[in-house]
Amino acid sequence: GENVEQHPSTLSVQEGDSAVIKCTYSDSASNYFPWYKQELGKRPQLIIDIRSNVGEKKDQRIAVTLNKTAKHFSLHITETQPEDSAVYFCAASVSGGGADGLTFGKGTHLIIQP
Amino acid sequence: KAGVTQTPRYLIKTRGQQVTLSCSPISGHRSVSWYQQTPGQGLQFLFEYFSETQRNKGNFPGRFSGRQFSNSRSEMNVSTLELGDSALYLCASSLDRGQGQPQHFGDGTRLSIL
Repeated sequence: GENVEQHPSTLSVQEGDSAVIKCTYSDSASNYFPWYKQELGKRPQLIIDIRSNVGEKKDQRIAVTLNKTAKHFSLHITETQPEDSAVYFCAASVSGGGADGLTFGKGTHLIIQP
Repeated sequence: KAGVTQTPRYLIKTRGQQVTLSCSPISGHRSVSWYQQTPGQGLQFLFEYFSETQRNKGNFPGRFSGRQFSNSRSEMNVSTLELGDSALYLCASSLDRGQGQPQHFGDGTRLSIL
């Protein structure tokens, strides 16, 4: 089955700097890659997703890049703010969305230092 | 539009008992997936329901089961509870099973086994 590796497990950046979280996946058939943000005690929230026919997607301060050849994708957060502090999860799916379940990475604890 | 609703929010059970968790998806969403979240294993896919049928299943023992009703609401049942079943159980809904359908999570049910 699919295996998703996520790095780093903890990332501390100064407020205003950029943060990058990287994930690799094993199943070349995977074609949907969402990112979730989970604050302490709250539900995972979808912040951005990308499909295999797209190399990059942006939404304000957040961007995701996908390299299908290398089987890795990354989350980029620019101009980080204190409210960006949370655990971020990457995921991969073969059929895109709910049909076959998402395989998640172990998560990255992002700490924004004031 | 109301989000995914899970009840109860907290449950305390003892070993050997059984438990039923409930999930109401976003209105109009027909696919419901269940995930287990633990500090050690992270987020793991349990199963997915669509049109009252289990369509996909993760790598969990048969003690974990579920069902979906005609209004898309879903229940998850765990029998013969073990200490290792202590976890946050998350439900996620998506509009359909087709490609590119993002999943949206509920707040989860935190199950503690004594």
